[in-house]
Amino acid sequence: AQSVAQPEDQVNVAEGNPLTVKCTYSVSGNPYLFWYVQYPNRGLQFLLKYITGDNLVKGSYGFEAEFNKSQTSFHLKKPSALVSDSALYFCAVRVNTGGFKTIFGAGTRLFVKA
Amino acid sequence: GAVVSQHPSWVICKSGTSVKIECRSLDFQATTMFWYRQFPKQSLMLMATSNEGSKATYEQGVEKDKFLINHASLTLSTLTVTSAHPEDSSFYICSAGTDREGTEAFFGQGTRLTVV
Repeated sequence: AQSVAQPEDQVNVAEGNPLTVKCTYSVSGNPYLFWYVQYPNRGLQFLLKYITGDNLVKGSYGFEAEFNKSQTSFHLKKPSALVSDSALYFCAVRVNTGGFKTIFGAGTRLFVKA
Repeated sequence: GAVVSQHPSWVICKSGTSVKIECRSLDFQATTMFWYRQFPKQSLMLMATSNEGSKATYEQGVEKDKFLINHASLTLSTLTVTSAHPEDSSFYICSAGTDREGTEAFFGQGTRLTVV
């Protein structure tokens, strides 16, 4: 079965410190991987994606993610966290099951303390 | 990125009534639209996938007669919650995408439905 796992319900980090939000995936074929962020009572905002090419993908708001095929991981990173980064983050994989659909991880809540 | 508009942002309705939620892709033609339901502090659960001009494909466990989906054009899909009950209260999110491989889906801002 195709799936996405986010092993951490919550990540706490101090402002200015680097942050990592973990994601692993299980898909057949080439993975199309995404990160989205959700603020309270809002829809999801696209951050970045990996389709092919460089394993390190840069996205919005200073976020980046590293695709690791051997570890089937796609961890989200940022060198220096901001309080405003506090939100709910979803890792997702887009799969083709006779039409494309997106499968989401459970989400990881990021708290950045000042 | 592309813009998907969802309306209304929030709605309160009485038990037994029906509520319609609209999802519009404003600057692109969405061959496929998706409807999700999100419970507090949980991930998005896909309810159904709709393709323009055809019947929606519902995920297992989702009542198609209760959650009516119409995708009449490449820019508009609607979700109607029929005979709503308090347990239908939730956050509903739509997304729109194309069938081009590797493209991301774009999400509406969500609708908070409260059934009283």
